[in-house]
Amino acid sequence: GAGVSQSPSNKVTEKGKDVELRCDPISGHTALYWYRQRLGQGLEFLIYFQGNSAPDKSGLPSDRFSAERTGESVSTLTIQRTQQEDSAVYLCASSPRRTGLGNTIYFGEGSWLTVV
Amino acid sequence: RKEVEQDPGPFNVPEGATVAFNCTYSNSASQSFFWYRQDCRKEPKLLMSVYSSGNEDGRFTAQLNRASQYISLLIRDSKLSDSATYLCVGRETSYDKVIFGPGTSLSVIP
Repeated sequence: GAGVSQSPSNKVTEKGKDVELRCDPISGHTALYWYRQRLGQGLEFLIYFQGNSAPDKSGLPSDRFSAERTGESVSTLTIQRTQQEDSAVYLCASSPRRTGLGNTIYFGEGSWLTVV
Repeated sequence: RKEVEQDPGPFNVPEGATVAFNCTYSNSASQSFFWYRQDCRKEPKLLMSVYSSGNEDGRFTAQLNRASQYISLLIRDSKLSDSATYLCVGRETSYDKVIFGPGTSLSVIP
């Protein structure tokens, strides 16, 4: 597709269940980012993938959070044993391989997660 | 200390006013800078890149001062449609790490 695609767009889950969120980046974009944004708050960096390099997982808040990416394609973010504080919008973004200083990142519309 | 810091806001200004947002960054490895705009319950979208020489796009002017590690955004002749949160963003050239500031909320009032 033309833009970053995320699914599901909305998810309501019960506390303690596992959820999986999917991101399909813009074709040809080697960099992929996951952010979390709680209501009324700023963007929290979660994880970053760049091509076949080891991902930067420094933002994952706990071991309940994990993410995978196969090559330069789809990524999944998994939250195990969800808690109410996990309720947020999870934003995925992608970026082309850096060829100059002006390259920027493009966001999907997010996956809105509500844990009840 | 956060890597990217912004004016706390919120800014409430009348239509037609000029408003300026400031941003400072602590990581000297950040080489590329951007301003993003985020509307309520929407994803952030690129407003403009920030170039060392400063750049202008219509009513918007961005400035970068690398010596002071300071970035600014000036909005002239504010419109109601400018109401949003403005995010300052720094990107490390060597590793592509992208850091977002907490954002500054702008409300343009009729």
